[in-house]
Amino acid sequence: NAGVMQNPRHLVRRRGQEARLRCSPMKGHSHVYWYRQLPEEGLKFMVYLQKENIIDESGMPKERFSAEFPKEGPSILRIQQVVRGDSAAYFCASSPRRTGGRGQFFGPGTRLTVL
Amino acid sequence: QKEVEQDPGPLSVPEGAIVSLNCTYSNSAFQYFMWYRQYSRKGPELLMYTYSSGNKEDGRFTAQVDKSSKYISLFIRDSQPSDSATYLCAMEGSGGGADGLTFGKGTHLIIQP
Repeated sequence: NAGVMQNPRHLVRRRGQEARLRCSPMKGHSHVYWYRQLPEEGLKFMVYLQKENIIDESGMPKERFSAEFPKEGPSILRIQQVVRGDSAAYFCASSPRRTGGRGQFFGPGTRLTVL
Repeated sequence: QKEVEQDPGPLSVPEGAIVSLNCTYSNSAFQYFMWYRQYSRKGPELLMYTYSSGNKEDGRFTAQVDKSSKYISLFIRDSQPSDSATYLCAMEGSGGGADGLTFGKGTHLIIQP
């Protein structure tokens, strides 16, 4: 029973390049959430998606960041023209239902380093 | 004032001690409360979730919620060196707004053998 999978686990990009982070939710989970964890900071919500729909992107920076969760395949978090301030750990979480307070299940994260 | 306040620590206690971890919050819309454990360079692992005020017990862990004081706690009994990690409290509204969790910054816990 595989958990949430993320790849790559580590990603190095130079300023101005694009970063693509992938997340496969747990089996049976159709709700995906992305969070960012900056050094010495807590986890910050970025975006919540269901299959083919963005439900809430109130935590996403207005520019350069986008997310999708297609009908087939993993969810993708895309960062265009990366800057040094984008260096962080990006976590994906999934849940079987929208809310209900039963928690979300996190993947191991992708650590992005921008040179 | 931040929505969720959590002392970052580090909190260092001897093996076998009872550990008390706490968070306070300001947003009355939070209805669900969770505790996560995060080992270094790993993803957060869900420990417990609770909704109502009161206590919830699971093995060596007890979660306590006091909505009137906007205060939540996690107690760890018979602490072990393997409990050394960062503990994150997380909160969620009833679904009318954003569906993401709001986290505290985490408390770094060290259990000394």
